[in-house]
Amino acid sequence: QSVLTQPPSASGTPGQRVTISCSGSNSNIGANNVNWFQQVPGAAPKLLIHSSNQRPSGVPDRFSGSRSGTSASLAISGLQSEDEADYYCAAWDDTLRGLVFGGGTQLTVL
Amino acid sequence: EVQLVESGGGLVQPGGSLRLSCAASGFTFRSRWMHWVRQAPGKGLVWVSRITEDGDITSYADSVKGRFTISRDNAKNTLFLQMNSLRAEDTAVYYCVEWGLGWGQGTLVTVST
Repeated sequence: QSVLTQPPSASGTPGQRVTISCSGSNSNIGANNVNWFQQVPGAAPKLLIHSSNQRPSGVPDRFSGSRSGTSASLAISGLQSEDEADYYCAAWDDTLRGLVFGGGTQLTVL
Repeated sequence: EVQLVESGGGLVQPGGSLRLSCAASGFTFRSRWMHWVRQAPGKGLVWVSRITEDGDITSYADSVKGRFTISRDNAKNTLFLQMNSLRAEDTAVYYCVEWGLGWGQGTLVTVST
């Protein structure tokens, strides 16, 4: 059971916009920024969004993040086949004194 | 370019020990918190441990507390994870992570007879 809650799966067709939600509590998302990671099978996770809504250099602007209250979301616009991957949200938890992750969302591009 | 390169994984028997290392480059290692995160086969990401910039403060997931020790050598830009009393459930790929910059490629730890 993950501390942060994500839908286990999401899907969309090429060109569509897809949103992945991440729900937490006052001690994690409610108090701290959220990072999002993309993981393709067999590879290490890649930082996609940091500080809730900031893209590292090299990440396309099709990816965007937001945070409000105890929830966060990742939006992917102009969906492409190479976006098919697992997506994880994470945040620092002030009570647990550690990072907490969502269970991951498997994105399928139909 | 940020680079994190883990090493030290392998096959170990239950009750055994391993020491993981992570060589960091491309950023000011001595100024950053560092973490270890693991991923069991076919499972999600789980935080293991973190250490502050100067190594003064460490914290651990309950599942590894008392068995794992995180440390760092800022002069050598290297992060460590000493893992003792290993159990089958510790089998996973272990990643070295700088929270806002990136992840290493991971090193596989397999605990089995």
